[in-house]
Amino acid sequence: GENVEQHPSTLSVQEGDSAVIKCTYSDSASNYFPWYKQELGKRPQLIIDIRSNVGEKKDQRIAVTLNKTAKHFSLHITETQPEDSAVYFCAASRNDYKLSFGAGTTVTVRA
Amino acid sequence: DVKVTQSSRYLVKRTGEKVFLECVQDMDHENMFWYRQDPGLGLRLIYFSYDVKMKEKGDIPEGYSVSREKKERFSLILESASTNQTSMYLCASTTPGRGGYTFGSGTRLTVV
Repeated sequence: GENVEQHPSTLSVQEGDSAVIKCTYSDSASNYFPWYKQELGKRPQLIIDIRSNVGEKKDQRIAVTLNKTAKHFSLHITETQPEDSAVYFCAASRNDYKLSFGAGTTVTVRA
Repeated sequence: DVKVTQSSRYLVKRTGEKVFLECVQDMDHENMFWYRQDPGLGLRLIYFSYDVKMKEKGDIPEGYSVSREKKERFSLILESASTNQTSMYLCASTTPGRGGYTFGSGTRLTVV
């Protein structure tokens, strides 16, 4: 099955700086790559996703890039704010619904 | 506007008990999933279902079973609870072509 690796496991950034989380996947047939944000005590929420026919997608301060050749994708958060503190999960699937998740990155934004 | 509801937020059970975790969605989604979440391991897929009465094993099905008798309800069953099944259990649903899941708020199960 699909194997998704996520790095780093923890990330501490100064407010206003950028944060980058990287994921690699093993199944070259994977074609859907969502990112989820889970705040403390809450359910994971989809924040952005990208499909394999697109190399980059942006939504305000967050962006995702995809390199199909290298089988990796990244989440970029610019101008970080305290409310960006959370656990972020990347995921991948080949059929749009059975997701394999990375282990998660705990992001802490320092004021 | 809660759309995926898990019946219990916290649950404490004894070793050997049969445990039922219930999940209901009101979005008419075809696909439903059960994951467990453990620190450092992310979300691991236990079972999923793409239609009523259909089920498929995920990555860690051992010790679990599921039931989907109605489209909106997907139950996870621990046949004989063990301490290594202490975890956060998350239910999710989606529909083909939609992509992202909608998650329930989770059930934190402790087996003593």
